[in-house]
Amino acid sequence: DAKTTQPTSMDCAEGRAANLPCNHSTISGNEYVYWYRQIHSQGPQYIIHGLKNNETNEMASLIITEDRKSSTLILPHATLRDTAVYYCIVRVQGAYGNKLVFGAGTILRVKS
Amino acid sequence: EAQVTQNPRYLITVTGKKLTVTCSQNMNHEYMSWYRQDPGLGLRQIYYSMNVEVTDKGDVPEGYKVSRKEKRNFPLILESPSPNQTSLYFCASSEPGRQEQYFGPGTRLTVT
Repeated sequence: DAKTTQPTSMDCAEGRAANLPCNHSTISGNEYVYWYRQIHSQGPQYIIHGLKNNETNEMASLIITEDRKSSTLILPHATLRDTAVYYCIVRVQGAYGNKLVFGAGTILRVKS
Repeated sequence: EAQVTQNPRYLITVTGKKLTVTCSQNMNHEYMSWYRQDPGLGLRQIYYSMNVEVTDKGDVPEGYKVSRKEKRNFPLILESPSPNQTSLYFCASSEPGRQEQYFGPGTRLTVT
């Protein structure tokens, strides 16, 4: 699996967009970009994933650069409840064992 | 409501006393797995199961057993717990080949 690099922490004002970057310069053509988050000591929560096109769902948007070497998760209107650790994971869909490899992630602090 | 449940949520036990942490999902998922989370080490996969009666080791299987007799249940068994198994445990499930895994709320285990 390709390695990802994320900032250690970020702050965001409540109501503003939170933009969380992820670098994955060694990503392969068949690897997807997945985002999960973990609110303090709760189970990780799936947010969104994509291959090369930008994706949007009810939680967030995922912007993947044309060369696929980096991506940005966007929470359009961050709330205090979005304070969590956000994990960017690059993975071949259907890979044996379905194991998710979580790095250190980005601690997002949403402040009022 | 689609969910993964774990019991107990909190457990304090003594070295050597056998225990079982239950995991159940109501989404008819074929794939289930167990992770442990420790400070500075992130989430690590213990065991996974691709379907009923099919289980395999993850990255840190020593000291653990699992069984998958029914599709919805995937209990984690510690036959002789030791203090180094003190951790936060998560069960997860998904459709095979998909990375949108659903996690349980976690079980915080303390072995003294």
